[in-house]
Amino acid sequence: AQTVTQSQPEMSVQEAETVTLSCTYDTSENNYYLFWYKQPPSRQMILVIRQEAYKQQNATENRFSVNFQKAAKSFSLKISDSQLGDTAMYFCAFIPPEYNTDKLIFGTGTRLQVFP
Amino acid sequence: GAVVSQHPSWVICKSGTSVKIECRSLDFQATTMFWYRQFPKQSLMLMATSNEGSKATYEQGVEKDKFLINHASLTLSTLTVTSAHPEDSSFYICSARVGGTGREPKNTEAFFGQGTRLTVV
Repeated sequence: AQTVTQSQPEMSVQEAETVTLSCTYDTSENNYYLFWYKQPPSRQMILVIRQEAYKQQNATENRFSVNFQKAAKSFSLKISDSQLGDTAMYFCAFIPPEYNTDKLIFGTGTRLQVFP
Repeated sequence: GAVVSQHPSWVICKSGTSVKIECRSLDFQATTMFWYRQFPKQSLMLMATSNEGSKATYEQGVEKDKFLINHASLTLSTLTVTSAHPEDSSFYICSARVGGTGREPKNTEAFFGQGTRLTVV
């Protein structure tokens, strides 16, 4: 089975601090894509960052970075200098390398609250 | 980034009626679109993969006759909830990818519509 697990239903962090959201996944494949999506109260899904499994270097997008541990099948998201606008649901997701469809499989989500 | 427009953003319908939700890719062609359902405070559950010019591929447990999907053009997919009942009330989200099944990073990002909140009374 190809599943994605986010073990932290809720997290909170103070503004300007750093927070890490964890994600583990299960796949028997070797090449795949991993993503973190953000869903703010507007419910619009927004791509935060992506990682290709065949790349060893961790992806970074401004204040967002990942810690990709392929052997451990772990893909955590670190948010540095947290801002109030980071308050949202965060979903880890990946695309199993199925050739005919590129469907995203989502984790259960982590609700992040940033406090002033 | 690319824009996916979903309409309507919310709809209330009577039990037993049907409601259609549209998903349009505004500035790109999408050979594949995806329909998700999201219950309150839960994750997105993939319902089906919509393929332009062919039948949709439904996930296990999703009723094909209840959730009709049509992908008549490269920019439009529709989801029709037929004979809706209160348990069909949910948030429905579509997404689309640019291009085909290429493995370049630019082809792997999925763009999402703003979602449709369906309430069946």
